[in-house]
Amino acid sequence: EDKVVQSPLSLVVHEGDTVTLNCSYEVTNFRSLLWYKQEKKAPTFLFMLTSSGIEKKSGRLSSILDKKELFSILNITATQTGDSAIYLCYISNFGNEKLTFGTGTRLTIIP
Amino acid sequence: NAGVTQTPKFRVLKTGQSMTLLCAQDMNHEYMYWYRQDPGMGLRLIHYSVGEGTTAKGEVPDGYNVSRLKKQNFLLGLESAAPSQTSVYFCASSSYPSTGYYTEAFFGQGTRLTVV
Repeated sequence: EDKVVQSPLSLVVHEGDTVTLNCSYEVTNFRSLLWYKQEKKAPTFLFMLTSSGIEKKSGRLSSILDKKELFSILNITATQTGDSAIYLCYISNFGNEKLTFGTGTRLTIIP
Repeated sequence: NAGVTQTPKFRVLKTGQSMTLLCAQDMNHEYMYWYRQDPGMGLRLIHYSVGEGTTAKGEVPDGYNVSRLKKQNFLLGLESAAPSQTSVYFCASSSYPSTGYYTEAFFGQGTRLTVV
């Protein structure tokens, strides 16, 4: 059975800190891993990763995938209160379009 | 661009009542999904569809039924609502993946359902 595990489940840091969120997976026929940010309503897309070792970057956020060790990390530098959200990753795999979500990491940034 | 639209946005049901949530997308996506999200938790897949006329069970299908009679619409039904179904429901859609091309899932804004 496909499995996606995110860690930590919850994280509280001070504004300005750097955080690293982890998404580990065990799926068959992996195609891509996607990161989403969810504040009050629907999740919004951050990154899609398909190849190992290629960093995706957007402002203070960056993410990288390791297909050998089966995980991805999402880094946020110089955190701001607006980064407080649930961060979700999901896996898309060939032949099975279930879009398996991880458990999510709840990030809280304290001013 | 409407994207993915869910109706209604809020609903309160009594235990045992039935209702249908509608998800409509205007992006010609093949795949559509229904998720539920409980407080402080991630998304759990209820049912999904890979095309018109087809549906499949996700992680938590019990107590729900779905239909995909038209490509653009994916309906989620609760035949006999229970308090355990109090949750926020999200619909999503994505495009058919061809070699070297894939899009992210697009989400509706959610339906907050309370069963009392």
